[in-house]
Amino acid sequence: KNEVEQSPQNLTAQEGEFITINCSYSVGISALHWLQQHPGGGIVSLFMLSSGKKKHGRLIATINIQEKHSSLHITASHPRDSAVYICAVHYSGGGADGLTFGKGTHLIIQP
Amino acid sequence: GAGVSQSPSNKVTEKGKDVELRCDPISGHTALYWYRQSLGQGLEFLIYFQGNSAPDKSGLPSDRFSAERTGGSVSTLTIQRTQQEDSAVYLCASSLGAGPYYNEQFFGPGTRLTVL
Repeated sequence: KNEVEQSPQNLTAQEGEFITINCSYSVGISALHWLQQHPGGGIVSLFMLSSGKKKHGRLIATINIQEKHSSLHITASHPRDSAVYICAVHYSGGGADGLTFGKGTHLIIQP
Repeated sequence: GAGVSQSPSNKVTEKGKDVELRCDPISGHTALYWYRQSLGQGLEFLIYFQGNSAPDKSGLPSDRFSAERTGGSVSTLTIQRTQQEDSAVYLCASSLGAGPYYNEQFFGPGTRLTVL
């Protein structure tokens, strides 16, 4: 079964800290997504990437295709960054074309 | 509209009843996806449409689940003879196209289904 593994499952940090969330997957992909879900809220797409690195404000996402690994970084973290961060992949090849999701990382940033 | 909309936002039903969930994708988005998020579980893919066709229905959890999309726009997800294990948030997403370069997905707010 194609799986997406995220770590850590839970992370509590102080405001201002640099945050890293990791994602690994098992087989070739055509794209990887980082999503954010606030408690009781909807899901927002943060990044979609298939190679290299992308940056939006304080968020940075990187992917290493050879190692089948991606990281999401948050610089100068803030309490409003508290949310569940979900890694999802779009597998290349046949089969269903929806995303396969990791279980999410529950991030809490304390003031 | 500005984003993906879903209705109803909440649905409480009795075991054994049928329910219909609706999704309005972003105008111009040809690809539409249904996902399910159960309490304590991650997100799981159910089905996707490219235009009106659903190339792969293997993600649907049982034959009680069906989905259709007419006119390349609105989609409905129907669950027949609901069971308590169907209780979940059902999410819809749309994207410009289904290929990897068009695959940034925009999610709706979800429908929270509770089966008593």
